[in-house]
Amino acid sequence: AQSVTQPDIHITVSEGASLELRCNYSYGATPYLFWYVQSPGQGLQLLLKYFSGDTLVQGIKGFEAEFKRSQSSFNLRKPSVHWSDAAEYFCAVGTGFQKLVFGTGTRLLVSP
Amino acid sequence: DGGITQSPKYLFRKEGQNVTLSCEQNLNHDAMYWYRQDPGQGLRLIYYSQIVNDFQKGDIAEGYSVSREKKESFPLTVTSAQKNPTAFYLCASSIIEEADEQFFGPGTRLTVL
Repeated sequence: AQSVTQPDIHITVSEGASLELRCNYSYGATPYLFWYVQSPGQGLQLLLKYFSGDTLVQGIKGFEAEFKRSQSSFNLRKPSVHWSDAAEYFCAVGTGFQKLVFGTGTRLLVSP
Repeated sequence: DGGITQSPKYLFRKEGQNVTLSCEQNLNHDAMYWYRQDPGQGLRLIYYSQIVNDFQKGDIAEGYSVSREKKESFPLTVTSAQKNPTAFYLCASSIIEEADEQFFGPGTRLTVL
């Protein structure tokens, strides 16, 4: 069965430091991969998505992610974190028409 | 502005009562979804619908029911058969393409007392 693993439940990063959130997936075919962000008590907003082609994808708010097929990974990165980036981040894999499987999320805390 | 609305934002019900959560979208999307979110468990799919008058069970459909009488509306009923209904419920919609993104509403927090 398809699955997504986000191994870090919480991550704390100093403001201005770089960020990498890990995501590993299990899926037999070429995956469609997504990163979403959720502020407390809110819905999810799409940061970026990978379908095919260039394995480094750019998203909104200065985020990027790199698809590595050999490692079954799709890690999210940002070179310099802002306090407003504090939120929960979800990785998801598209498993077929309109169906997504989500990871359990990583909560990002930003320290001054 | 186009988007998805969910109402109410907070909902309190007594144990044993059915409750219906509203989801409306004006994005002209064909597909709509309901997810349940619990702390530490991510999002789990309850039901989804790709067309009016048709819907399919997701991974955790037991104790829930839906209807899709209009393209823009996809209400979710949490029945008394749902053993642990207290959760955050998210509605989403998308166009009918294999890998397109889902757009999410702001969510409804249901608390059963």
